[in-house]
Amino acid sequence: EDKVVQSPLSLVVHEGDTVTLNCSYEVTNFRSLLWYKQEKKAPTFLFMLTSSGIEKKSGRLSSILDKKELFSILNITATQTGDSAVYLCAVGGSNYQLIWGAGTKLIIKP
Amino acid sequence: ETGVTQTPRHLVMGMTNKKSLKCEQHLGHNAMYWYKQSAKKPLELMFVYSLEERVENNSVPSRFSPECPNSSHLFLHLHTLQPEDSALYLCASSRDRGWEAFFGQGTRLTVV
Repeated sequence: EDKVVQSPLSLVVHEGDTVTLNCSYEVTNFRSLLWYKQEKKAPTFLFMLTSSGIEKKSGRLSSILDKKELFSILNITATQTGDSAVYLCAVGGSNYQLIWGAGTKLIIKP
Repeated sequence: ETGVTQTPRHLVMGMTNKKSLKCEQHLGHNAMYWYKQSAKKPLELMFVYSLEERVENNSVPSRFSPECPNSSHLFLHLHTLQPEDSALYLCASSRDRGWEAFFGQGTRLTVV
């Protein structure tokens, strides 16, 4: 059965810290891995990764995919209180479906 | 604003009521989705429409009935719901199936 596992489930850090969020997967016919940020309701798209070893970067956020070891990480440097959110990982597999992880709840303390 | 609009934002309904959730996308996308998000659970895909044709129905109870009259609009008709159906219902769209999805703000549904 396809599955996506995110860790940790929750994380509390102080402003300015660097965090690394993990997403591992077992999905048939892998097509892509996506990261989303969910603050209140609507998840907002961050990155889509399809190729192994190529880092995607947007400001203080970056992500990389390892297709051999079947995982991805999302890094956030110099965290700010506005980074507090649930970070969701989803993997596209067979039939174009997205398999979702349970999310990592990140809390940034001032 | 993601270009996907859902109404209403909040809905409280009794178990004998009939209500509908509405979703509209202004992005020119071909695929639209309904998701259910319950507390501390992964997003659950309910229905997928591609070019107005339903292509996925993930064992959703018949008390949930989707409708896609055109590629910009998606409805979820609700009737005789149960308290365990209380959740956040999210609509999303994507250029085609398998591309990144853009989500609406969701409808927070409470069944009493």
